[in-house]
Amino acid sequence: GAVVSQHPSWVICKSGTSVKIECRSLDFQATTMFWYRQFPKQSLMLMATSNEGSKATYEQGVEKDKFLINHASLTLSTLTVTSAHPEDSSFYICSARQGASPQYFGPGTRLTVL
Amino acid sequence: AQKVTQAQTEISVVEKEDVTLDCVYETRDTTYYLFWYKQPPSGELVFLIRRNSFDEQNEISGRYSWNFQKSTSSFNFTITASQVVDSAVYFCVFSGGSNYKLTFGKGTLLTVNP
Repeated sequence: GAVVSQHPSWVICKSGTSVKIECRSLDFQATTMFWYRQFPKQSLMLMATSNEGSKATYEQGVEKDKFLINHASLTLSTLTVTSAHPEDSSFYICSARQGASPQYFGPGTRLTVL
Repeated sequence: AQKVTQAQTEISVVEKEDVTLDCVYETRDTTYYLFWYKQPPSGELVFLIRRNSFDEQNEISGRYSWNFQKSTSSFNFTITASQVVDSAVYFCVFSGGSNYKLTFGKGTLLTVNP
């Protein structure tokens, strides 16, 4: 149980394009989903928290117009990196939680912007 | 604000050695959770354990054991008879406050050599 998937697992795009990453909880209803970013050899940095049906809460320093988050259902959240640039290249990881359960993490999406 | 310190950036051991990963946290919360996650080279975070602040009982799961001591604000993780497959980055994580967001330590890269 408690499986979280992400799609795609990796993506390469050209500078200026937008990229959408999906996060799904496969066997439970995720009341809260989280999006993290991880640079090579660094820890995870929380970008935003989203509750189903509500606007996402962004961490300080994270551009909400740059990283659009939608949590339309209890099993799906999406992160769209708009007008991507090389500095947005990173490993993006989502996690999902039902109530007070531990957060279960997706396998991550590696984004490379050329 | 919460803080998690993993003083060991990298540890290298030979297979079958025991190894302890240290974790010290800082918080003013009286109710909180502590976690350990494993991140192998594939990138996916694997949940290992969750402890709540009211349960200081040590736990053993196979070759893994955890020592939680509130008096020293530590939550150390020991791998007994390490194996090559244990090679990964291990994160100690704190969760507390009203929204139980996760605060990650910087991680310890464990390399187990054959």
